[in-house]
This record gives sequence, C-alpha cells and structure tokens, in this order.
Amino acid sequence: AQKITQTQPGMFVQEKEAVTLDCTYDTSDPSYGLFWYKQPSSGEMIFLIYQGSYDQQNATEGRYSLNFQKARKSANLVISASQLGDSAMYFCAMRGLHGSGNTGKLIFGQGTTLQVKP
Amino acid sequence: DADVTQTPRNRITKTGKRIMLECSQTKGHDRMYWYRQDPGLGLRLIYYSFDVKDINKGEISDGYSVSRQAQAKFSLSLESAIPNQTALYFCATSDSRDRADTQYFGPGTRLTVL
Repeated sequence: AQKITQTQPGMFVQEKEAVTLDCTYDTSDPSYGLFWYKQPSSGEMIFLIYQGSYDQQNATEGRYSLNFQKARKSANLVISASQLGDSAMYFCAMRGLHGSGNTGKLIFGQGTTLQVKP
Repeated sequence: DADVTQTPRNRITKTGKRIMLECSQTKGHDRMYWYRQDPGLGLRLIYYSFDVKDINKGEISDGYSVSRQAQAKFSLSLESAIPNQTALYFCATSDSRDRADTQYFGPGTRLTVL
C-alpha cells in the first residue's frame, strides 16, 4: 500500500531564510509521481512542484525545489528566501503513474504547518 | 476567471437532506476528481472520472454519488446527508496528456451537516 509520512506537524522559519519540509513515502509501484501542494488559511489547494520517480534531476520551480532521494524514499520540499506569504499548510502527495496501476488517487500526507516570522 | 470552479462555496444543511455540489472547469482536462478534507487531515478521494463515460469509486465513496454531465462538469451528491459528512470538499482536474497528470484543485466547498 502507498503511504506518505510528514513528521513535522509545525515549523517556524525566519523571513528570508530557507526551510526544508520533510516527506517520506512508501510504495511498491515501479513508477510514481510525487507532488507538493500549499494550502493557505483561505483553504484552496495550490500545486507547487512535481517529481517523477525516473527523473534524473531534482525538480525546481522558482523558490521551490525538491530534494529527491529515491533510495531513502524521501522527497523533501525546500523553500528558499521565505516570505510571509509562504505561511500555510504544505502537503506532500503521491500517485502511481500511467501504466503502473494508476487509479487516479493521490495519497496525501497529514501536512506540515509553516509559519514565517518577520 | 478561475479554471476550476465549485458551487456553492459554503453550505449548511440538515441531516437527511439531499445535497449536490457542482464543479466545472475551463482547463480542457479530461479527468476529474472529488476529494474531502477533514480537519487536521490530508485529502481523501471520493470518486474520480477519467472521461465522460467513466466513473470510479475512490476510497470513501459510501454515502456519495457522482454525475459527469460533460467533460467540463462533475457533480457530487450526498443522497441523505449525515453530520460526519461535514468537511471541506474539493474538486480537481487533470490532463491525461500531462506526463505528471498533475491534479489542479478548485477553491473548495465547506459543507456543514447539522
């Protein structure tokens, strides 16, 4: 069975500092995708970044990067130069990909609340 | 305008009432999903549809039904609402042509069942 674990219920970071949000996963699928979403207090779910299990390089999107360590089954999100608007809940999620039992289901972790201090 | 819209955004109803939540999208995506989020938890899949003629149950489909009226519209019904269906409901869409098949979420519907 697939599982996502986010062990940090809450994190604080100083504005302009970098922060790493942890995510470990478990799956038997040979091909899978890992996603990070941001949920601000307003409630919407905002897609941030994607990493495919066979991608050779770690994904980056602006200030977001994904530290993907396949052997350790970890996919940590790194936010550089934190801003006050980064304060939100962050969810790591996983799904099997095409041709590998893709049921459409995203498996979510329980989330990490990030607070950016001015 | 938002690519994925949900109506209503908030709804308070009573136990036993039938409720329909609607989702529409202008992204041109073929796949649509309904999730629910309970406080302090991640999202759980209720139903998903890979095209207009395809409907599949997710992990928590009991008490819910769906209808895919068109590629752009996917509605979720609670036939007889109960208090433990109080939650934040999200519709999502994805494109099967996207290598990542990334799911993009609507703004959510906050449902309270009294």
